[in-house]
Amino acid sequence: DTGVSQDPRHKITKRGQNVTFRCDPISEHNRLYWYRQTLGQGPEFLTYFQNEAQLEKSRLLSDRFSAERPKGSFSTLEIQRTEQGDSAMYLCASSQIGQGPAKNIQYFGAGTRLSVL
Amino acid sequence: AQRVTQPEKLLSVFKGAPVELKCNYSYSGSPELFWYVQYSRQRLQLLLRHISRESIKGFTADLNKGETSFHLKKPFAQEEDSAMYYCALSGHNFNKFYFGSGTKLNVKP
Repeated sequence: DTGVSQDPRHKITKRGQNVTFRCDPISEHNRLYWYRQTLGQGPEFLTYFQNEAQLEKSRLLSDRFSAERPKGSFSTLEIQRTEQGDSAMYLCASSQIGQGPAKNIQYFGAGTRLSVL
Repeated sequence: AQRVTQPEKLLSVFKGAPVELKCNYSYSGSPELFWYVQYSRQRLQLLLRHISRESIKGFTADLNKGETSFHLKKPFAQEEDSAMYYCALSGHNFNKFYFGSGTKLNVKP
């Protein structure tokens, strides 16, 4: 297992188009998180899944954003009718929930950089 | 409201000097605190967390609930410590994480 992978690494799109990103977590991890990061800021929480259930969504996540994790493995994040303000790095992280110091540690992917023209 | 504040955007020190990266938080419950690091051209990775109470790469951080702080310290900075450092906060069920805006540490030779 090479860690959390995200695809694509870069996406350039025109305003109004739909885009979809994919995240493959570490295989035994049951939690998967999505974040957005803009220049000069830390990651901002968007949503998270435990297995296939989406348990929390940030108010940052407008109706144009939707995320799925259909089989509790990989996840997709879709942005409909993209706007220039959506330009950011989209990060995915996964973790294994449980007790002990090795649990609940988030492992991050390299991110997908979205540019909306 | 939950919030993590890292007051310094950039911290420059000379090699061998002590370094302290500040982190203050606001949280209504019992917090879990973390420090993440991002080296150049690498992904974000965990440096340490408060419950582990261990030193990683010479760094330590103590949770001070009275001052609501979780400052990261190292007695003698090394050039390879140059990176972006983020303080992060979660609740006990780890369902949501709040990150600070980050501090860029630059260790000069």
